Amino acid sequence: NAGVTQTPKFRILKIGQSMTLQCAQDMNHNYMYWYRQDPGMGLKLIYYSVGAGITDKGEVPNGYNVSRSTTEDFPLRLELAAPSQTSVYFCASRDSTGNTIYFGEGSWLTVV
Amino acid sequence: QKEVEQNSGPLSVPEGAIASLNCTYSDRGSQSFFWYRQYSGKSPELIMFIYSNGDKEDGRFTAQLNKASQYVSLLIRDSQPSDSATYLCAVIATSGTYKYIFGTGTRLKVLA
Repeated sequence: NAGVTQTPKFRILKIGQSMTLQCAQDMNHNYMYWYRQDPGMGLKLIYYSVGAGITDKGEVPNGYNVSRSTTEDFPLRLELAAPSQTSVYFCASRDSTGNTIYFGEGSWLTVV
Repeated sequence: QKEVEQNSGPLSVPEGAIASLNCTYSDRGSQSFFWYRQYSGKSPELIMFIYSNGDKEDGRFTAQLNKASQYVSLLIRDSQPSDSATYLCAVIATSGTYKYIFGTGTRLKVLA
């Protein structure tokens, strides 16, 4: 059972570089989310999507971009990486009943 | 004001005691409330959800919701060392926005 798959699991970026965190789910969920979690903190919503072609900003969208061309995929783009973007990134998806949000295993990103 | 607030802890309780975790939320229109547990280095996992005022029990866990006070809590009875983790409160914001917002989390330590 794949569920929500995130790649890469670990990445070190230099300041000013760009990269894309990949997220794919095989549960046919309409709702998908990107969160970041700083050490010792909770999850902060970056962007979310309610279906293919529809995305919206969360609590901390600055420095990030997303796209949702298919139901399955929801990539997160980091442009001009900054040390403040050092964090663990979680992708998640939700079924239509809203009871459960399914998380990927996380992507550990360090910007140096 | 943060949308979902929790005491960061750590909350320390002896083994066998009741652990009480609290959460307040700012959006009075919020409809759905969730408790997640997160072990260090892992993804959050759902413990339980609650939609209606009052108590909801599931094994050793009881969720309590008071919409008038905008307050949701989680009680863990007969706490075990394996319950030591960070507990995250989550709220689905006012119907129609689909935003799934997490609190900062409370770190629980159960002392053997």
